[in-house]
Amino acid sequence: EIVMTQSPATLSVSPGERATLSCRASQSVSSNLAWYQQKPGQAPRLLIYGASSRATGVPARFSGSGSGTEFTLTISSLQSEDFAVYYCQQYNYWYTFGQGTKLEIK
Amino acid sequence: QVQLQESGPGLVKPSQTLSLTCTVSGGSISSGSYYWSWIRQPAGKGLEWIGRIHTSGGTNYNPSLNSRVTISVDTSKNQFSLKLSSVTAADTAVYYCARGGDTVVTAQFDYWGQGTLVTVSS
Repeated sequence: EIVMTQSPATLSVSPGERATLSCRASQSVSSNLAWYQQKPGQAPRLLIYGASSRATGVPARFSGSGSGTEFTLTISSLQSEDFAVYYCQQYNYWYTFGQGTKLEIK
Repeated sequence: QVQLQESGPGLVKPSQTLSLTCTVSGGSISSGSYYWSWIRQPAGKGLEWIGRIHTSGGTNYNPSLNSRVTISVDTSKNQFSLKLSSVTAADTAVYYCARGGDTVVTAQFDYWGQGTLVTVSS
């Protein structure tokens, strides 16, 4: 099983600032990596796929980078609606998710 | 716009079989090249993929659950279903259905159901 490790577990950032979330895979997943946003009581929402492609309707302030085993999700200027839990997921070999990063208001 | 909706009992007794159905609207479940998956999330925890079924009917399951899981499809009703046998309290979770592509570069989950809470308790 490919283990996905996200850091930090919790990130406190002020609105308008930049947030950088990290995800590491236990072995290479190429660029077969997605990021999801989940708000309380809601299903996850696809933000990024292919490590760096934004899903339909996702604002340009969300960007993804990386390949192989190291990946980053950057939110350039945090809006109030961006405070949520973010999960990375690999789909190179079956599917596994990271444990999530909670992005909270500082 | 594709929409998915889970349905089924919210309470299941230990050792019994959990049964859920996902109804797909806004498109035919048998058209296109997709895998239809089940994913679960215990309260306050992360996401675990349970298994998937292809539009052609082929299935794959998470090895950690393989012996207890069956996923099937009913194309006439535009639904796919999950059965998880011999449940314990550890199977208590919100269960989601989701759609993913059938190639390695399109396999991300682009559409999700809203989720349904299943509690295992006597």
